[in-house]
Amino acid sequence: EVQLVESGGGLVQPGGSLRLSCAAFGFTFSSYWMSWVRQAPGKGLEWVGNIKRDGSEKYYVDSVKGRFTISRDNAKNSLYLQMNSLRADDTAVYYCARDLPGGLVEYWGQGTLVTVSS
Amino acid sequence: QSVLTQPPSVSAAPGQKVTIPCSGSFSNIGNNYVSWYQQLPGTAPKLLIYDNNKRPSGIPDRFSGSKSGTSATLGITGLQTGDEADYYCGTWDSSLSAGVFGGGTKLTVL
Repeated sequence: EVQLVESGGGLVQPGGSLRLSCAAFGFTFSSYWMSWVRQAPGKGLEWVGNIKRDGSEKYYVDSVKGRFTISRDNAKNSLYLQMNSLRADDTAVYYCARDLPGGLVEYWGQGTLVTVSS
Repeated sequence: QSVLTQPPSVSAAPGQKVTIPCSGSFSNIGNNYVSWYQQLPGTAPKLLIYDNNKRPSGIPDRFSGSKSGTSATLGITGLQTGDEADYYCGTWDSSLSAGVFGGGTKLTVL
């Protein structure tokens, strides 16, 4: 059974940093692109970015370029999201997701809440 | 403002059928596969439809997807109160080199 477990969310001040982690279980992690998707309170889904199987390619939504970095450790079956220069509008539940071959995302984690506030 | 356009809400009676449209452009829906997601209140989204019209294992055939040109449609027949949820379309945008979602449609089963 595919399982994705996020951790690392919490309260951070504007301008601060936070690193989210996602542990993957039940599939060959190194064989899949992986994504981060977020959802602000009461709002819709926003794709944040994704990373290729070997980490050699990464794509980001414009609003996080230069501030967020996605990485992975295939030996640890783990995905990461380093978030710097956080702003109030980054407040959201952040979901780790396994990509669909040729599509968007397939499996989702339960999400971790990031709150950016002073 | 989402790249993909969905109506904010739709409603129908139990047992009836509803369709949810998703409108995009050549760079997204027009050239890539569309997926549909169901998000029940307080839970993570779940994949309903992938590759425009395929259902993952365990998704009942009451749910269907179609695509024509730069638009896609999710259909749900035999509506149940348990289908009340937010529904999102999503795809890759080749011009943006980014994933994109619709703004979401809230389904109410009256």
